Amino acid sequence: AAGVIQSPRHLIKEKRETATLKCYPIPRHDTVYWYQQGPGQDPQFLISFYEKMQSDKGSIPDRFSAQQFSDYHSELNMSSLELGDSALYFCASCRQINTGELFFGEGSRLTVL
Amino acid sequence: DAKTTQPPSMDCAEGRAANLPCNHSTISGNEYVYWYRQIHSQGPQYIIHGLKNNETNEMASLIITEDRKSSTLILPHATLRDTAVYYCIVRITGANSKLTFGKGITLSVRP
Repeated sequence: AAGVIQSPRHLIKEKRETATLKCYPIPRHDTVYWYQQGPGQDPQFLISFYEKMQSDKGSIPDRFSAQQFSDYHSELNMSSLELGDSALYFCASCRQINTGELFFGEGSRLTVL
Repeated sequence: DAKTTQPPSMDCAEGRAANLPCNHSTISGNEYVYWYRQIHSQGPQYIIHGLKNNETNEMASLIITEDRKSSTLILPHATLRDTAVYYCIVRITGANSKLTFGKGITLSVRP
C-alpha cells in the first residue's frame, strides 16, 4: 500500500541558509500534519492543513512557513536556519472522513552546521 | 499540558505479554485514546485506538477502564522488534485534530 513519502530523507545546510522539505500524502488523504523531533525529544506539532487551508498551528517558528498544494502535497520552508533547527521532520496524513488515524512518513533529517 | 501520564520505561521478556499502562484522568467524553509507537528514529506508527470499549486488532489489545481514566495497551507476545517508545495520546477524532505527543514509555524487550 502507498505510504506517506517525504523528501529529501537527509539534508545538510549551513546556518542562515534556507531548506525546503516536501511531503506527499497517501492518495485521497485530505489532511497533512508536520512535526519536528529534536534529538532525544518527542515529536512536536508544527502545523497542519486540511483541504489546502491551514487548519491548526503549533510551535512553528516565524522563520518557517508551509503550504498544501492543489495535488495535496505539502512543503515546509525553513529560512535563516539555526543550529537548533537540526531535527527529524515528520509529515503525516489522514482522511478526515475516516477515523482520523494519522499515517507518518519516514521523516527528513535536517542537519544545520 | 500533558493529558496522559506513562511510566518512563519498562521491560519484558520476549514471547511474554507486555502490558503498558496509561493514565488520562482528565479525558473528555468525546476524546479517544490512541496508541502510537516509534521505533528508533522511524516515523510514529499507529497501533490502536478506542473510546470506551475494549479494542483488539492484529497488533494489540486496548483495555479502557469503565471510568475511562486509564487504559492498558497489551502486546500479547512481545518480540525484539517491539522494542520502541510507546505513546498514549487522547484526541478528538476528525475536526482536523492533531496528535499531541507526551513523553511516552520506552519498552525494552529482552531475549
